[in-house]
Amino acid sequence: SYVLTQPPSVSEAPGKTATITCGGDNIGIKSVHWYQQKPGQAPLLVIFSDGGRPSGIPVRFSGSNSGNTATLMISRVEVGDEADYYCQVWDSRGDHPVFGGGTKLTVL
Amino acid sequence: QVQLVQSGDEVKKPGASVKVSCKTSTFSSITYGFHWVRQAPGQGLEWMGWINPRNGNTNYADNVHGRVTMTTDASTRTTYMELTGLRSDDTAIYYCTHWGEGNSFLDYWGQGTLVTVTS
Repeated sequence: SYVLTQPPSVSEAPGKTATITCGGDNIGIKSVHWYQQKPGQAPLLVIFSDGGRPSGIPVRFSGSNSGNTATLMISRVEVGDEADYYCQVWDSRGDHPVFGGGTKLTVL
Repeated sequence: QVQLVQSGDEVKKPGASVKVSCKTSTFSSITYGFHWVRQAPGQGLEWMGWINPRNGNTNYADNVHGRVTMTTDASTRTTYMELTGLRSDDTAIYYCTHWGEGNSFLDYWGQGTLVTVTS
């Protein structure tokens, strides 16, 4: 099965740009999606298909994907953005989604 | 907007079975299927399987294959996930998610159902 690698944790100061990476073999040819999960809540889709934003997601959230790394960027990061973030792609061989291990974002 | 409302938390003994329900606001043309994803305490997201309510086709993850059954009832717009032979490592929050037509992402999630397996 396809493997996605995320850093366990990322820290950034309020107002700066937080960057969370998702590594995978030639991930640039796949569509990458990102979910935000705050404590005690279900995951929430924040980025789909590399850089699309669902309705209601702030423009501060953006994504890119190239080569072996996809990236979620949160500009002007706020304390309220603290959460676990998961990347996801589709495993076409197994016909199912694959999740990265998740990255805990701390804003301090 | 698709709303998914799951059944309540469960406590089960090892070896027992659990059946979690997920009532959806629609089985519309935008719906291709439903996935079940679980999350053990303090752990990441683990895909369990999906079901297409139009034809009943399913695809289960290898690590639960043989113990999991996913079904749907179109008359009540409800999707079910039954897991048998429960073990302590099945303790997790179980989420149902909506899978839109033509999509490779999970756009709407239920609130989650905590299943605790303990003797």
